[in-house]
Amino acid sequence: GENVEQHPSTLSVQEGDSAVIKCTYSDSASNYFPWYKQELGKGSQLIIDIRSNVGEKKDQRIAVTLNKTAKHFSLHITETQPEDSAVYFCAASITGNQFYFGTGTSLTVIP
Amino acid sequence: SAVISQKPSRDICQRGTSLTIQCQVDSQVTMMFWYRQQPGQSLTLIATANQGSEATYESGFVIDKFPISRPNLTFSTLTVSNMSPEDSSIYLCSVRIWLNTGELFFGEGSRLTVL
Repeated sequence: GENVEQHPSTLSVQEGDSAVIKCTYSDSASNYFPWYKQELGKGSQLIIDIRSNVGEKKDQRIAVTLNKTAKHFSLHITETQPEDSAVYFCAASITGNQFYFGTGTSLTVIP
Repeated sequence: SAVISQKPSRDICQRGTSLTIQCQVDSQVTMMFWYRQQPGQSLTLIATANQGSEATYESGFVIDKFPISRPNLTFSTLTVSNMSPEDSSIYLCSVRIWLNTGELFFGEGSRLTVL
């Protein structure tokens, strides 16, 4: 089955700096890659996703890039703010099938 | 999207007891799932809750330990039976509204501590 690896496991950045979280996947058939933000008391929320027919997607300060050849995708957060502090999970899926999650990245934005 | 409500949000239980977690969605959804997130770990799929029939369990999870019900398209329950401290985890209900779009939405989770 699919294997998703996520790095780093922890990340600290100064407020205003950028944060990058990287994931790799093993199954070339995977075609949907969401990112989730997990905060205490708020559950896990989908923040951005990308499909395999697109190389990059941006939503305000958040962007995701996908390299299908290398089988990796990354989350980029620019101009980080303290409220960006959370655990972020990547996932890979073949549309309609099971999701496989990375192990999570704990992001701390230092004011 | 979908609004997913889970109850209880947290509980502390004694070893050997059972706890049922409820998941209510504000709209009819195609698929409902139950995930487990052990401390410091990622999300692991327990089973797919099938409406009107037995749940489909992933490897390592069995119906006797995690019985699941899904009586309709908006509601499901997960029971953690005969609990041990190793069952201490966050249990999350998730839904997929439309099979072809792929997006997965999560409830806030139920944090279970077994003493």
